[in-house]
Amino acid sequence: RKEVEQDPGPFNVPEGATVAFNCTYSNSASQSFFWYRQDCRKEPKLLMSVYSSGNEDGRFTAQLNRASQYISLLIRDSKLSDSATYLCVVEGGSYIPTFGRGTSLIVHP
Amino acid sequence: SQTIHQWPATLVQPVGSPLSLECTVEGTSNPNLYWYRQAAGRGLQLLFYSVGIGQISSEVPQNLSASRPQDRQFILSSKKLLLSDSGFYLCAWSVTGFDQPQHFGDGTRLSIL
Repeated sequence: RKEVEQDPGPFNVPEGATVAFNCTYSNSASQSFFWYRQDCRKEPKLLMSVYSSGNEDGRFTAQLNRASQYISLLIRDSKLSDSATYLCVVEGGSYIPTFGRGTSLIVHP
Repeated sequence: SQTIHQWPATLVQPVGSPLSLECTVEGTSNPNLYWYRQAAGRGLQLLFYSVGIGQISSEVPQNLSASRPQDRQFILSSKKLLLSDSGFYLCAWSVTGFDQPQHFGDGTRLSIL
């Protein structure tokens, strides 16, 4: 079983839609969780950290479910500029984070 | 604020030639430093990481090597490039310690001919 799994997509949604991605992880000792955004042929950029109580940043909401070992990212009112690949990252008491392969999002007019 | 510089942005090299990619970080001390490679349409592959000057850990055996001659400088090298070395190379840093988010440089797109 892969340590961090994501549905590769692509998720094809119209502008204004709400879309959610999940990311499952296998290491129950994982401590820190992050979502990154990667545009085509660009570097990954930190989108947001994921806190135990859930957190929101504008149209983006991240949640953690430790019991089921997954994190989620919800994007409301999707914009064309949200089109990208979203990577989840899980860290568990080491210097080495584990990246998911990413979920591709395409927002169309 | 902290910044990370990585160069060159693109590089075309013949098979068998040497390689040197450089990455520097500003605005922080004793960062964790990382080299990743991303093949087209694939995930990130961790190549090396360093938690201090002269300390290099290799995650994948290959014909690449890394060095950290200064606190905020990380260099990726090869004596003889292979076709399979083509890819998008990314340097990243994080605050010292465990479980910190990483921040990436702009990347180097390497093509081997």
